[in-house]
Amino acid sequence: AQSVAQPEDQVNVAEGNPLTVKCTYSVSGNPYLFWYVQYPNRGLQFLLKYITGDNLVKGSYGFEAEFNKSQTSFHLKKPSALVSDSALYFCAVRDRNAGNMLTFGGGTRLMVKP
Amino acid sequence: GAVVSQHPSRVICKSGTSVKIECRSLDFQATTMFWYRQFPKQSLMLMATSNEGSKATYEQGVEKDKFLINHASLTLSTLTVTSAHPEDSSFYICSATRAATNQPQHFGDGTRLSIL
Repeated sequence: AQSVAQPEDQVNVAEGNPLTVKCTYSVSGNPYLFWYVQYPNRGLQFLLKYITGDNLVKGSYGFEAEFNKSQTSFHLKKPSALVSDSALYFCAVRDRNAGNMLTFGGGTRLMVKP
Repeated sequence: GAVVSQHPSRVICKSGTSVKIECRSLDFQATTMFWYRQFPKQSLMLMATSNEGSKATYEQGVEKDKFLINHASLTLSTLTVTSAHPEDSSFYICSATRAATNQPQHFGDGTRLSIL
Protein backbone atom coordinates (compact mmCIF):
# COMPACT_ATOMS: atom_id res chain seq x y z
CA ALA A 1 0.00 0.00 0.00
CA GLN A 2 1.10 3.55 -0.64
CA SER A 3 0.25 6.69 1.26
CA VAL A 4 1.09 10.38 1.37
CA ALA A 5 0.99 12.77 4.30
CA GLN A 6 0.86 16.54 4.09
CA PRO A 7 1.06 17.52 7.76
CA GLU A 8 -0.01 21.14 7.31
CA ASP A 9 -3.54 22.05 6.30
CA GLN A 10 -2.43 25.60 5.63
CA VAL A 11 0.84 27.47 5.22
CA ASN A 12 0.98 31.25 5.53
CA VAL A 13 3.89 33.21 4.14
CA ALA A 14 4.59 36.82 3.29
CA GLU A 15 5.22 37.77 -0.31
CA GLY A 16 8.93 37.66 -1.14
CA ASN A 17 9.72 35.17 1.60
CA PRO A 18 10.72 31.57 0.91
CA LEU A 19 8.03 28.93 1.21
CA THR A 20 8.03 25.23 2.02
CA VAL A 21 5.11 22.83 1.74
CA LYS A 22 5.85 19.51 3.40
CA CYS A 23 5.17 16.02 2.09
CA THR A 24 6.15 12.58 3.31
CA TYR A 25 5.30 9.32 1.61
CA SER A 26 5.21 5.59 2.11
CA VAL A 27 5.55 2.98 -0.64
CA SER A 28 6.70 -0.60 -0.67
CA GLY A 29 9.00 -0.07 -3.63
CA ASN A 30 10.68 2.90 -5.25
CA PRO A 31 8.48 5.94 -5.72
CA TYR A 32 7.58 8.32 -8.46
CA LEU A 33 6.66 11.59 -6.74
CA PHE A 34 4.60 14.50 -8.04
CA TRP A 35 3.39 17.92 -7.00
CA TYR A 36 0.21 19.47 -8.33
CA VAL A 37 -1.47 22.83 -7.74
CA GLN A 38 -5.20 23.50 -7.77
CA TYR A 39 -6.83 26.90 -8.17
CA PRO A 40 -10.48 27.42 -7.16
CA ASN A 41 -12.96 25.47 -9.26
CA ARG A 42 -10.22 24.11 -11.48
CA GLY A 43 -8.54 20.78 -12.01
CA LEU A 44 -5.00 20.03 -10.93
CA GLN A 45 -2.01 21.45 -12.72
CA PHE A 46 1.23 19.49 -12.82
CA LEU A 47 4.17 21.31 -11.21
CA LEU A 48 7.04 18.84 -11.09
CA LYS A 49 8.00 15.22 -10.65
CA TYR A 50 10.81 13.08 -9.30
CA ILE A 51 11.55 9.95 -11.28
CA THR A 52 15.24 9.30 -10.84
CA GLY A 53 18.55 11.13 -10.86
CA ASP A 54 19.17 14.41 -9.04
CA ASN A 55 17.33 14.71 -5.76
CA LEU A 56 16.56 18.38 -6.41
CA VAL A 57 13.88 18.72 -9.04
CA LYS A 58 12.94 22.03 -10.65
CA GLY A 59 9.48 22.62 -12.00
CA SER A 60 7.02 25.22 -13.22
CA TYR A 61 6.65 28.78 -11.86
CA GLY A 62 9.97 28.68 -9.97
CA PHE A 63 9.00 25.78 -7.73
CA GLU A 64 11.40 23.02 -6.79
CA ALA A 65 11.28 19.95 -4.58
CA GLU A 66 13.90 17.82 -2.90
CA PHE A 67 13.63 14.08 -2.76
CA ASN A 68 15.03 12.70 0.50
CA LYS A 69 14.99 8.94 0.52
CA SER A 70 16.14 8.49 4.11
CA GLN A 71 13.40 10.78 5.41
CA THR A 72 10.87 9.63 2.76
CA SER A 73 10.10 13.26 2.08
CA PHE A 74 9.48 15.38 -1.00
CA HIS A 75 9.00 18.93 0.25
CA LEU A 76 7.97 21.64 -2.19
CA LYS A 77 9.92 24.89 -2.05
CA LYS A 78 10.16 28.29 -3.67
CA PRO A 79 12.79 30.92 -2.85
CA SER A 80 10.45 33.91 -3.11
CA ALA A 81 6.68 33.56 -2.81
CA LEU A 82 4.19 35.51 -4.91
CA VAL A 83 0.61 36.38 -3.98
CA SER A 84 -0.43 34.51 -7.12
CA ASP A 85 1.06 31.32 -5.66
CA SER A 86 -1.86 31.18 -3.22
CA ALA A 87 -3.66 27.93 -4.02
CA LEU A 88 -4.14 24.33 -2.89
CA TYR A 89 -1.13 22.07 -3.31
CA PHE A 90 -1.20 18.30 -3.54
CA CYS A 91 1.66 15.87 -3.23
CA ALA A 92 1.20 12.48 -4.89
CA VAL A 93 3.09 9.20 -5.05
CA ARG A 94 3.06 6.27 -7.40
CA ASP A 95 4.80 2.99 -6.67
CA ARG A 96 6.90 2.08 -9.70
CA ASN A 97 5.67 -1.49 -9.53
CA ALA A 98 2.01 -0.71 -8.92
CA GLY A 99 0.72 0.63 -12.23
CA ASN A 100 -0.57 4.09 -12.96
CA MET A 101 -2.58 4.81 -9.83
CA LEU A 102 -1.64 7.94 -7.91
CA THR A 103 -2.18 8.36 -4.20
CA PHE A 104 -2.71 11.96 -3.11
CA GLY A 105 -2.00 13.71 0.11
CA GLY A 106 -4.76 15.65 1.81
CA GLY A 107 -3.62 18.94 0.31
CA THR A 108 -2.08 22.08 1.81
CA ARG A 109 -3.55 25.51 1.30
CA LEU A 110 -0.85 28.10 0.68
CA MET A 111 -1.71 31.68 1.54
CA VAL A 112 0.75 34.33 0.43
CA LYS A 113 0.03 37.74 1.87
CA PRO A 114 1.23 41.01 0.34
CA GLY B 1 2.13 20.41 -22.83
CA ALA B 2 -0.49 17.72 -22.53
CA VAL B 3 -4.05 19.02 -22.47
CA VAL B 4 -7.12 17.34 -21.06
CA SER B 5 -10.51 18.84 -21.78
CA GLN B 6 -13.47 18.15 -19.51
CA HIS B 7 -17.06 19.14 -20.27
CA PRO B 8 -19.32 20.47 -19.03
CA SER B 9 -17.68 22.64 -16.39
CA ARG B 10 -20.89 23.05 -14.45
CA VAL B 11 -24.20 21.24 -14.35
CA ILE B 12 -27.30 22.13 -12.37
CA CYS B 13 -30.21 19.74 -12.74
CA LYS B 14 -33.16 18.18 -11.01
CA SER B 15 -33.04 15.04 -8.94
CA GLY B 16 -33.51 11.91 -11.04
CA THR B 17 -31.71 13.28 -14.08
CA SER B 18 -28.77 11.41 -15.60
CA VAL B 19 -25.71 13.52 -16.33
CA LYS B 20 -22.88 12.71 -18.72
CA ILE B 21 -19.40 14.19 -18.28
CA GLU B 22 -16.81 13.94 -21.04
CA CYS B 23 -13.06 13.79 -20.66
CA ARG B 24 -10.85 14.17 -23.73
CA SER B 25 -7.09 14.09 -24.14
CA LEU B 26 -6.50 16.65 -26.87
CA ASP B 27 -2.90 16.11 -27.91
CA PHE B 28 -1.91 12.65 -26.74
CA GLN B 29 -3.26 9.13 -26.58
CA ALA B 30 -4.36 8.25 -23.09
CA THR B 31 -4.18 4.57 -22.38
CA THR B 32 -5.60 5.16 -18.94
CA MET B 33 -8.06 7.71 -17.62
CA PHE B 34 -9.07 8.25 -14.03
CA TRP B 35 -12.19 9.69 -12.49
CA TYR B 36 -12.04 11.45 -9.14
CA ARG B 37 -14.51 13.05 -6.83
CA GLN B 38 -13.55 15.96 -4.62
CA PHE B 39 -15.56 17.17 -1.65
CA PRO B 40 -15.15 20.74 -0.38
CA LYS B 41 -11.79 21.35 1.26
CA GLN B 42 -10.78 17.73 0.80
CA SER B 43 -8.38 15.77 -1.34
CA LEU B 44 -9.26 13.82 -4.45
CA MET B 45 -11.01 10.49 -4.03
CA LEU B 46 -10.35 8.02 -6.83
CA MET B 47 -13.61 6.60 -8.12
CA ALA B 48 -12.48 4.43 -11.00
CA THR B 49 -9.70 3.65 -13.44
CA SER B 50 -10.64 3.42 -17.09
CA ASN B 51 -8.59 1.64 -19.74
CA GLU B 52 -9.47 1.97 -23.39
CA GLY B 53 -11.47 -0.95 -24.69
CA SER B 54 -12.02 -2.64 -21.36
CA LYS B 55 -14.31 -2.33 -18.38
CA ALA B 56 -13.49 0.25 -15.78
CA THR B 57 -12.07 -0.77 -12.43
CA TYR B 58 -14.06 0.78 -9.60
CA GLU B 59 -12.76 1.60 -6.16
CA GLN B 60 -14.39 0.05 -3.14
CA GLY B 61 -17.64 1.73 -2.23
CA VAL B 62 -18.25 3.23 -5.67
CA GLU B 63 -21.43 1.94 -7.29
CA LYS B 64 -20.85 0.70 -10.83
CA ASP B 65 -24.48 1.09 -11.81
CA LYS B 66 -24.59 4.61 -10.43
CA PHE B 67 -21.43 5.88 -12.08
CA LEU B 68 -21.19 4.44 -15.58
CA ILE B 69 -17.82 4.80 -17.26
CA ASN B 70 -17.14 4.31 -20.93
CA HIS B 71 -13.67 4.57 -22.44
CA ALA B 72 -14.49 4.27 -26.13
CA SER B 73 -11.21 5.49 -27.58
CA LEU B 74 -7.70 6.50 -26.62
CA THR B 75 -8.82 10.11 -26.36
CA LEU B 76 -12.27 9.94 -24.79
CA SER B 77 -13.77 8.68 -21.56
CA THR B 78 -17.24 9.49 -20.24
CA LEU B 79 -18.72 9.34 -16.77
CA THR B 80 -22.50 9.14 -16.51
CA VAL B 81 -24.10 9.80 -13.16
CA THR B 82 -27.37 7.94 -13.45
CA SER B 83 -30.54 9.10 -11.70
CA ALA B 84 -28.60 11.70 -9.80
CA HIS B 85 -29.64 12.75 -6.31
CA PRO B 86 -28.55 15.68 -4.13
CA GLU B 87 -25.93 13.55 -2.38
CA ASP B 88 -24.21 13.11 -5.76
CA SER B 89 -23.51 16.83 -5.85
CA SER B 90 -19.76 17.24 -5.95
CA PHE B 91 -16.76 18.30 -8.00
CA TYR B 92 -15.78 15.56 -10.45
CA ILE B 93 -12.33 15.59 -12.05
CA CYS B 94 -10.88 13.38 -14.75
CA SER B 95 -7.26 12.77 -15.57
CA ALA B 96 -5.41 11.01 -18.35
CA THR B 97 -2.00 9.48 -18.64
CA ARG B 98 0.19 7.91 -21.25
CA ALA B 99 1.32 4.30 -20.96
CA ALA B 100 4.57 4.89 -19.08
CA THR B 101 4.09 5.00 -15.33
CA ASN B 102 6.72 7.69 -14.85
CA GLN B 103 4.53 10.18 -16.71
CA PRO B 104 2.33 12.58 -14.75
CA GLN B 105 -1.43 12.45 -14.91
CA HIS B 106 -2.91 15.43 -16.69
CA PHE B 107 -6.14 16.76 -15.28
CA GLY B 108 -9.25 18.28 -16.72
CA ASP B 109 -10.68 21.42 -15.16
CA GLY B 110 -13.38 19.52 -13.36
CA THR B 111 -17.17 19.48 -13.44
CA ARG B 112 -19.19 20.94 -10.63
CA LEU B 113 -22.41 18.95 -10.39
CA SER B 114 -25.29 20.39 -8.40
CA ILE B 115 -28.42 18.30 -8.02
CA LEU B 116 -31.49 20.17 -6.80
